[in-house]
Amino acid sequence: AQTVTQSQPEMSVQEAETVTLSCTYDTSESDYYLFWYKQPPSRQMILVIRQEAYKQQNATENRFSVNFQKAAKSFSLKISDSQLGDAAMYFCAYRIPNTGNQFYFGTGTSLTVIP
Amino acid sequence: EAQVTQNPRYLITVTGKKLTVTCSQNMNHEYMSWYRQDPGLGLRQIYYSMNVEVTDKGDVPEGYKVSRKEKRNFPLILESPSPNQTSLYFCASSSATVSSYEQYFGPGTRLTVT
Repeated sequence: AQTVTQSQPEMSVQEAETVTLSCTYDTSESDYYLFWYKQPPSRQMILVIRQEAYKQQNATENRFSVNFQKAAKSFSLKISDSQLGDAAMYFCAYRIPNTGNQFYFGTGTSLTVIP
Repeated sequence: EAQVTQNPRYLITVTGKKLTVTCSQNMNHEYMSWYRQDPGLGLRQIYYSMNVEVTDKGDVPEGYKVSRKEKRNFPLILESPSPNQTSLYFCASSSATVSSYEQYFGPGTRLTVT
């Protein structure tokens, strides 16, 4: 079964500091896509970053970067220089390859940013 | 503006009264999906569609129906809603030709079944 696990239901970080959100997944596939989505209080789902499994280089988008460890099936999100606007629920997601459009999401991590 | 729209945004209904939540996208995307979000469970895929007249079950399809008669629309139908279908629902779409498969989400529909 395909699963995505986020073991940290809640995290907090001081403004301007760095925080890492963890995500592990289970798959027997070798090529797939991983995503981090942000859900602020508005409930809108916003793509933060994506990673293609066949690319060894970790994806980076401004203050957001991932640590992708394929062998360990780990996909953590690092937020640098945390800002108040980063406070949100963060979801890790895995796209099953060659099935059209099947996705699995983790249970989410609620991030609080402390001024 | 590229967007996914859902209607209604909020709905309170009673057990057994059939309802439809509409979803429409203006990006000519082939792929569309429905998710439900529940506290502590994250998002779970209900149904997904790869194109017109092509739909498939996700993780939690029981009690739901979908149809894809037009590329832009993907309505979610609850023929006999029950209280355990009280949830936040999201529609999403993505392109089959863009390799990133990024999903664009609608604003969500808060459904309460009493």
